[in-house]
Amino acid sequence: GENVEQHPSTLSVQEGDSAVIKCTYSDSASNYFPWYKQELGKRPQLIIDIRSNVGEKKDQRIAVTLNKTAKHFSLHITETQPEDSAVYFCAANRNTDKLIFGTGTRLQVFP
Amino acid sequence: DAGITQSPRYKITETGRQVTLMCHQTWSHSYMFWYRQDLGHGLRLIYYSAAADITDKGEVPDGYVVSRSKTENFPLTLESATRSQTSVYFCASSEGVGQPQHFGDGTRLSIL
Repeated sequence: GENVEQHPSTLSVQEGDSAVIKCTYSDSASNYFPWYKQELGKRPQLIIDIRSNVGEKKDQRIAVTLNKTAKHFSLHITETQPEDSAVYFCAANRNTDKLIFGTGTRLQVFP
Repeated sequence: DAGITQSPRYKITETGRQVTLMCHQTWSHSYMFWYRQDLGHGLRLIYYSAAADITDKGEVPDGYVVSRSKTENFPLTLESATRSQTSVYFCASSEGVGQPQHFGDGTRLSIL
């Protein structure tokens, strides 16, 4: 079955710097890769997703890149702000019912 | 996203008791999911449902029972609660395969 590994588990950056979180997946048939942001005590919320027919997708300060050959995808946050502090989860799905989640990255943005 | 609601938000119970967590969605999404979230494990799938009267096991189904008699409801029952089931439980729904999942606010369950 699918396995998703996420790194790093914690990430601290200065406000204004960029943050990058990386995930690798095992099943080459996976074709849908969402990213979720979870603030403390809140629900996970979808922030961006990408499908396997696209190599990169951007939404303002957030971008996701996908390398199908290497089976990894990354979340890039530019010009980080304190409100970006949260836990971020990646996930993968190979056109089946289930999403497989990574174990999360705790991002702290220091003012 | 008020379209998916979970109840109760907090629950304390004792080992051996039966407890049911409720999940209701107003989007008419086909798929519904139950996850548990524990430190160091991220989100782990317990059970999911592709449609009314269709359910399937996820990664960690032992000790849990689900039903889906109506599209909008997907209750999760712990038949005989154990301390290892202390966790935060999230319900989610999606329109279909490979579509975004939308989460409820979660239920924090403590089993003493």
